[in-house]
Amino acid sequence: KQEVTQIPAALSVPEGENLVLNCSFTDSAIYNLQWFRQDPGKGLTSLLLIQSSQREQTSGRLNASLDKSSGRSTLYIAASQPGDSATYLCAVSLSNRLAFGKGNQVVVIP
Amino acid sequence: GAGVSQSPSNKVTEKGKDVELRCDPISGHTALYWYRQRLGQGLEFLIYFQGNSAPDKSGLPSDRFSAERTGESVSTLTIQRTQQEDSAVYLCASTVTLSGANVLTFGAGSRLTVL
Repeated sequence: KQEVTQIPAALSVPEGENLVLNCSFTDSAIYNLQWFRQDPGKGLTSLLLIQSSQREQTSGRLNASLDKSSGRSTLYIAASQPGDSATYLCAVSLSNRLAFGKGNQVVVIP
Repeated sequence: GAGVSQSPSNKVTEKGKDVELRCDPISGHTALYWYRQRLGQGLEFLIYFQGNSAPDKSGLPSDRFSAERTGESVSTLTIQRTQQEDSAVYLCASTVTLSGANVLTFGAGSRLTVL
């Protein structure tokens, strides 16, 4: 059974600092890995998708890396802003479903 | 439509009543998922539909839960004789397939409160 773990569970940083969010998974036989953002009371918004053959993906201030052999992904958010406050979820795709971590709850302090 | 649409957005019901939640996926998406998210918890897989194949129901927590989907269109999740522990946000998502570069797109969810 695929287990997805996200560390830290929660963190607070001052505005302007870089954020580093970690995701680990136990089964490396994945199709891809997605990072999502979830705001309170709302659904999930896809941020980045890394295919299993890729090492990283970038979108604006966001960069996600994937090391499939070691079962790890890291989401970097550069120069954090208060609007980045949210819960970030990591999900790995298996044959027919996504397995999710419990999320990194981020607060960016102005 | 442009996104995954779910209704109702909020539902308050009394214990023992049946509820029906609806999901309208993105047109052309053959795969549809239902997840449940209890307060402060991660996403829990419930059921998966892929085209006309038999659905994967392995995540349904009890026989009070059922879901249907006709072809590649709307899906309904039905919870019979609701219990307080059923209170959660029920999220629907769709994609072409889970492999490669196909992004899973979520709806805004249906928040269910069982009194």
